[in-house]
Amino acid sequence: NAGVTQTPKFQVLKTGQSMTLQCAQDMNHEYMSWYRQDPGMGLRLIHYSVGAGITDQGEVPNGYNVSRSTTEDFPLRLLSAAPSQTSVYFCASSVLPFAGNQPQHFGDGTRLSIL
Amino acid sequence: TQLLEQSPQFLSIQEGENLTVYCNSSSVFSSLQWYRQEPGEGPVLLVTVVTGGEVKKLKRLTFQFGDARKDSSLHITAAQPGDTGLYLCAPRGNTGKLIFGQGTTLQVKP
Repeated sequence: NAGVTQTPKFQVLKTGQSMTLQCAQDMNHEYMSWYRQDPGMGLRLIHYSVGAGITDQGEVPNGYNVSRSTTEDFPLRLLSAAPSQTSVYFCASSVLPFAGNQPQHFGDGTRLSIL
Repeated sequence: TQLLEQSPQFLSIQEGENLTVYCNSSSVFSSLQWYRQEPGEGPVLLVTVVTGGEVKKLKRLTFQFGDARKDSSLHITAAQPGDTGLYLCAPRGNTGKLIFGQGTTLQVKP
């Protein structure tokens, strides 16, 4: 059971560099989302998508771009990395509509350090 | 704007003690989920509460949804070291934004 797969698991960048964090799910979930988690804090929503071709901003969208060309993939792009973006990034997916006991399924995270 | 607060932020207790953590908001939710996250892993769903006043039990964990569906609590009886982790509440409203509280970090010492 692959579930939600995030790559890479670790990455070190220099300020100003760009990169894409990959997220793929094999559960045919319509809903996908990206969160960042900083020490001592919970998960903050960056961007989310309710289906292919549809994305929207979360709580902390600045400095990040997303696209959703397929149901399976939801990449997160940092166009010009800044030290403030050092964090652990989690991708998650869920069925739609939100009902009952359906969870968000999370990947194992990408640990990103920006020097 | 929805304000979501979890308390306490950090809790360190001895094995066998009881504890309660809280999740409070100014908004009404259609449902609320509790997750537990262990170091190096993503959060995992513990329970979903849907009805105001609902109480759900999961072994030694008791979850309650407030009557007005604005708050929830998690009570752990006789905590064990295996309960150590970050406990997150995640309310569900009528929009696609699934947000989380800042979490309660629980440390249970043997």
